Amino acid sequence: KAGVTQTPRYLIKTRGQQVTLSCSPISGHRSVSWYQQTPGQGLQFLFEYFSETQRNKGNFPGRFSGRQFSNSRSEMNVSTLELGDSALYLCASREGAGETQYFGPGTRLLVL
Amino acid sequence: DQQVKQNSPSLSVQEGRISILNCDYTNSMFDYFLWYKKYPAEGPTFLISISSIKDKNEDGRFTVFLNKSAKHLSLHIVPSQPGDSAVYFCAASGATGGFKTIFGAGTRLFVKA
Repeated sequence: KAGVTQTPRYLIKTRGQQVTLSCSPISGHRSVSWYQQTPGQGLQFLFEYFSETQRNKGNFPGRFSGRQFSNSRSEMNVSTLELGDSALYLCASREGAGETQYFGPGTRLLVL
Repeated sequence: DQQVKQNSPSLSVQEGRISILNCDYTNSMFDYFLWYKKYPAEGPTFLISISSIKDKNEDGRFTVFLNKSAKHLSLHIVPSQPGDSAVYFCAASGATGGFKTIFGAGTRLFVKA
């Protein structure tokens, strides 16, 4: 099976802009989670979608939003970008709750 | 509130010796624990997991130990190899948290040849 794919891999934006990141899960996986990784902070949980519904949410401001489509692909949107949003954004998929997550390569976002 | 803590940001080990990476958690409702390895410019890769009904799980050179009373788990790598040099993340999840997976900050392992 193909792994989790994320596009784009790299992105440069300026403050105030918005950005949309895309994630395609492993075939058959219905759950997609998003994480933000910054140096020294580990992986901070953003949200999880399962069958097009947001099932879990982390402690991020409303500027961070997501959605999942009927084919399980997911998008994450960040509006009004701030310098502190510069990070590696990782997507992970799994078959269902309680199963092991598998990660994509990430999208590295740089906000100038 | 850091529910999963990896207190050692880095660890250096000689090739062939044992690497021990530690992780502590605070939420007693966690019942599934995982270790991931991450190389630069790649996403984390699943390494090994353990459920709360066990206290040890082994997979080749990798063994995870769980001490529920101390809310502590550790990953042992024996023997360590230079290719093991990476960042290791500890993670935990549980049914009561909706199976949300919480990650630690990571420990960077250096294995010297």
